[in-house]
Amino acid sequence: KNEVEQSPQNLTAQEGEFITINCSYSVGISALHWLQQHPGGGIVSLFMLSSGKKKHGRLIATINIQEKHSSLHITASHPRDSAVYICAVRSGDSNYQLIWGAGTKLIIKP
Amino acid sequence: NAGVMQNPRHLVRRRGQEARLRCSPMKGHSHVYWYRQLPEEGLKFMVYLQKENIIDESGMPKERFSAEFPKEGPSILRIQQVVRGDSAAYFCASNLVAGTGELFFGEGSRLTVL
Repeated sequence: KNEVEQSPQNLTAQEGEFITINCSYSVGISALHWLQQHPGGGIVSLFMLSSGKKKHGRLIATINIQEKHSSLHITASHPRDSAVYICAVRSGDSNYQLIWGAGTKLIIKP
Repeated sequence: NAGVMQNPRHLVRRRGQEARLRCSPMKGHSHVYWYRQLPEEGLKFMVYLQKENIIDESGMPKERFSAEFPKEGPSILRIQQVVRGDSAAYFCASNLVAGTGELFFGEGSRLTVL
């Protein structure tokens, strides 16, 4: 079992739908990152959080430390949100190494 | 305030040649990380460097791969005698504070070995 599990692996939705991507982890962490990668493109850091909730535009990230679970939500989804969303955690044992999830491939259809 | 700059964006090499990938971190950042992404796979940590020091190279293959981050200039990831299996996207990231700082990624360098 991987230390960081994302679900779903693939998600296809219609424009305007509310999107939720989940990330569960089994190690103690000091921080959790959500990142976005477009096909053939670079990686953009969306959020880094260690507790609670953060919001940026139509994106919301939450984390529950007790349950070792985080969610990334996209409101009013748009085709340009189509990308791979990656969850990565910074283990409490290391102050810099990240443990990466496999990513969730999101396709938003117009 | 430029972000993390990587070049070249695309590099084609024949087997046995050398590949050099460069990464200029964000201004003021002294921590640089290199990751490799094989086709259809997630990112894998390769090496963590600070200026003039390799802090952790546990993810680097023992042979043919080396990395440096000199006092002046960009960080360099060097792959000698490339093989087809080296074909991948190589991403560089930097941050201001190693333990808690947000990571900023470059656009990646895509190496194709013919």
